[in-house]
Amino acid sequence: DTEVTQTPKHLVMGMTNKKSLKCEQHMGHRAMYWYKQKAKKPPELMFVYSYEKLSINESVPSRFSPECPNSSLLNLHLHALQPEDSALYLCASSQDPSGGAGGETQYFGPGTRLLVL
Amino acid sequence: AQSVTQLGSHVSVSEGALVLLRCNYSSSVPPYLFWYVQYPNQGLQLLLKYTSAATLVKGINGFEAEFKKSETSFHLTKPSAHMSDAAEYFCAVSVDNAGNNRKLIWGLGTSLAVNP
Repeated sequence: DTEVTQTPKHLVMGMTNKKSLKCEQHMGHRAMYWYKQKAKKPPELMFVYSYEKLSINESVPSRFSPECPNSSLLNLHLHALQPEDSALYLCASSQDPSGGAGGETQYFGPGTRLLVL
Repeated sequence: AQSVTQLGSHVSVSEGALVLLRCNYSSSVPPYLFWYVQYPNQGLQLLLKYTSAATLVKGINGFEAEFKKSETSFHLTKPSAHMSDAAEYFCAVSVDNAGNNRKLIWGLGTSLAVNP
């Protein structure tokens, strides 16, 4: 099974709200990723967690705060977002953060479609 | 810097016709290459991947891709298009990143339309 789940599917929030996106995988993968995707564009990497530690932050604004409570869960906390942050937020996981024998193959969840008003 | 180029942001084919989506990469080392598909309002689904085991890679839904090192290409094909193949297709290459991690470099995507 290569399933990554994400909740909620849709989220509408005001610029002063605080909300969280959740991602879960039970494949024993040790790397988890957050991406932002605008319509008809490729995903943009935001964060990478490797063995539950933040290993990559692609210069993401502090209004996005990731958290990895355990090896199966990944959260993205949102606060004081701007309308331009409206996008599809995708979570992905891979078996081995360092790759090798295809271990870096990333499996994606269905995404959370976020609208910031 | 490593990059991925997808020629043709929009491709339109008739149902039953051959599908050919082009992907060229630049990489100084043997690459790991991927094709993902994204159906409307959905996440990304892995179609197939090249990891140096075989140059012709078969994927899901009747798609396949051939790795050609001399042409630095990894084009995606399907012999006969189906209406359900209409989607956005992304080619990606896995590259080394800081801290013993790898990351994906993405092409800009090709939107495939299938006409009845």
